[in-house]
Amino acid sequence: ELKVEQNPLFLSMQEGKNYTIYCNYSTTSDRLYWYRQDPGKSLESLFVLLSNGAVKQEGRLMASLDTKARLSTLHITAAVHDLSATYFCAVQETSGSRLTFGEGTQLTVNP
Amino acid sequence: NAGVMQNPRHLVRRRGQEARLRCSPMKGHSHVYWYRQLPEEGLKFMVYLQKENIIDESGMPKERFSAEFPKEGPSILRIQQVVRGDSAAYFCASSPNRIGYFNEKLFFGSGTQLSVL
Repeated sequence: ELKVEQNPLFLSMQEGKNYTIYCNYSTTSDRLYWYRQDPGKSLESLFVLLSNGAVKQEGRLMASLDTKARLSTLHITAAVHDLSATYFCAVQETSGSRLTFGEGTQLTVNP
Repeated sequence: NAGVMQNPRHLVRRRGQEARLRCSPMKGHSHVYWYRQLPEEGLKFMVYLQKENIIDESGMPKERFSAEFPKEGPSILRIQQVVRGDSAAYFCASSPNRIGYFNEKLFFGSGTQLSVL
């Protein structure tokens, strides 16, 4: 059974600081997704990482994928309050047809 | 192009009643996924459907839960004889093709918050 683990689960940081969220998964996959969820809202797609070494950037967020290490990172640069949300990674098994989600990282950016 | 539409947004049921959750996928999307989210937890896969067919229901509880996606109309997640443990947010997501085809991603609805009294 595919397991997806994120850490940290809770992250409180100050505006202007950098930090990284980690997503580890247990079986072969070459496709990983990052989503953002605001309280009481739905999930918004941030990134789709399709191959080993893939790196994508959007604003202050950058995601990368290392399929050999079964690890993805979401790096936050110079955080701002608007980035406060819960971030989920989700992994699709190579032969699967569904996404398995991590527990989520609840990010709070303090002014 | 409207997004994935779920209704109702909030549903309150007493123990033993039935809950029916509806999901209309985005226009042109024929693949629907249902996920459940418990408080402070990630999303757990329940079922994957393609028009008129259940493709993967491995995440569905064996009893009381059923799902359908008819040729016409929305996808329905039905929970019979609800219990307090069914209280959760239920999210529907859709895609034009199955996940894994090219660079498809899921588009999520706003969810239905089910509360069982």
